[in-house]
Amino acid sequence: TAGITQAPTSQILAAGRSMTLRCTQDMRHNAMYWYRQDLGLGLRLIHYSNTAGTTGKGEVPDGYSVSRANTDDFPLTLASAVPSQTSVYFCASSEKGTGELFFGEGSRLTVL
Amino acid sequence: GQNIDQPTEMTATEGAIVQINCTYQTSGFNGLFWYQQHAGEAPTFLSYNVLDGLEEKGRFSSFLSRSKGYSYLLLKELQMKDSASYLCAVRDSNYQLIWGAGTKLIIKP
Repeated sequence: TAGITQAPTSQILAAGRSMTLRCTQDMRHNAMYWYRQDLGLGLRLIHYSNTAGTTGKGEVPDGYSVSRANTDDFPLTLASAVPSQTSVYFCASSEKGTGELFFGEGSRLTVL
Repeated sequence: GQNIDQPTEMTATEGAIVQINCTYQTSGFNGLFWYQQHAGEAPTFLSYNVLDGLEEKGRFSSFLSRSKGYSYLLLKELQMKDSASYLCAVRDSNYQLIWGAGTKLIIKP
């Protein structure tokens, strides 16, 4: 079973370029999330979606956008990347109300 | 502000017991989670506490005291594969998860 698939696994990006991180789940979970993980800090929520067609801002949304056209896909877009967006990005999903998160394997992004 | 505190790093011996503490100050409380994260991998769910007391699941147990804003994860009969980071997270009044920075557990033979 695939669970949550993220792509790419890693990417080096020039500052100012745009980038979309892809996330697909096959568990039919209602809620999906994008987190970034930086050394010495807890996971920080970028954007979330409680159900298809809706999105919301998390703790650190600036510089990022998301869409939720259907249940399975939740792409994260960096319109104009900056070095401070160098991080490991995790996509996650959960059944509404249970709270247990299922994570993808992560996308390591380096912005130079 | 909201805050989750846990030790940065701990070392323990194979076969021993280790307790990883987590203290929290959040806007409301709707449950506390523990996740395990091996280096370079995704976090995976370990336990969930919403009521005071101890929840046991095999070699792992998790304890919660809501009045003290305190939880611990207890790992028994440590194995080398338990070397990982352990993340504490609290669900606040808005049902958003607030994450600690994680505790890196090093197991020595």
